[in-house]
Amino acid sequence: GAVVSQHPSRVICKSGTSVKIECRSLDFQATTMFWYRQFPKQSLMLMATSNEGSKATYEQGVEKDKFLINHASLTLSTLTVTSAHPEDSSFYICSARVLGNTGELFFGEGSRLTVL
Amino acid sequence: AQSVTQLDSQVPVFEEAPVELRCNYSSSVSVYLFWYVQYPNQGLQLLLKYLSGSTLVKSINGFEAEFNKSQTSFHLRKPSVHISDTAEYFCAVAKANAGNMLTFGGGTRLMVKP
Repeated sequence: GAVVSQHPSRVICKSGTSVKIECRSLDFQATTMFWYRQFPKQSLMLMATSNEGSKATYEQGVEKDKFLINHASLTLSTLTVTSAHPEDSSFYICSARVLGNTGELFFGEGSRLTVL
Repeated sequence: AQSVTQLDSQVPVFEEAPVELRCNYSSSVSVYLFWYVQYPNQGLQLLLKYLSGSTLVKSINGFEAEFNKSQTSFHLRKPSVHISDTAEYFCAVAKANAGNMLTFGGGTRLMVKP
């Protein structure tokens, strides 16, 4: 199957700093990528839909100025958590859809963010 | 809008016993259904999916799920579990032919004991 890679897998930062997480589709082109957030022992919550070459679409309640998403190419989307605070600590997962695919999404390995 | 309910948050089971993880969904339109598995500190891996056709779908590692439209269910089953099946399992639904935006259930932690 298609491979989606996230980097970094773990990051620890100080409160007030910004953190960038990359999501790459390694062997396919992805016009659309999705960013999810997962709190411990909970399900995944969709944060935003990232479309190549256009602005991301954010879900209700997600601050677009805090969670900056850039989808500059067909193989790369980035999520930047700006001015991170401890409550932003979470597991962030991206997924991508293969062009023309009818249903399946491929997920990255996830990035665990810890804000001290 | 779609919603997914996984009735059991945890399912403890002994090795080699059968298991069923329940999933019910609600939607006013046709849907695609998925089961994903998540091992600790990892992303999600697709286990199996139903898009159309045969209502019984199977994975390569012995899991199967049956789409039941009348009961709006997509329960996951395995006749004999292994320790390595211990993981979190998520049921998800997407509107058919509508861009793959997945809605996830709350997840079920399968704990296989020796």
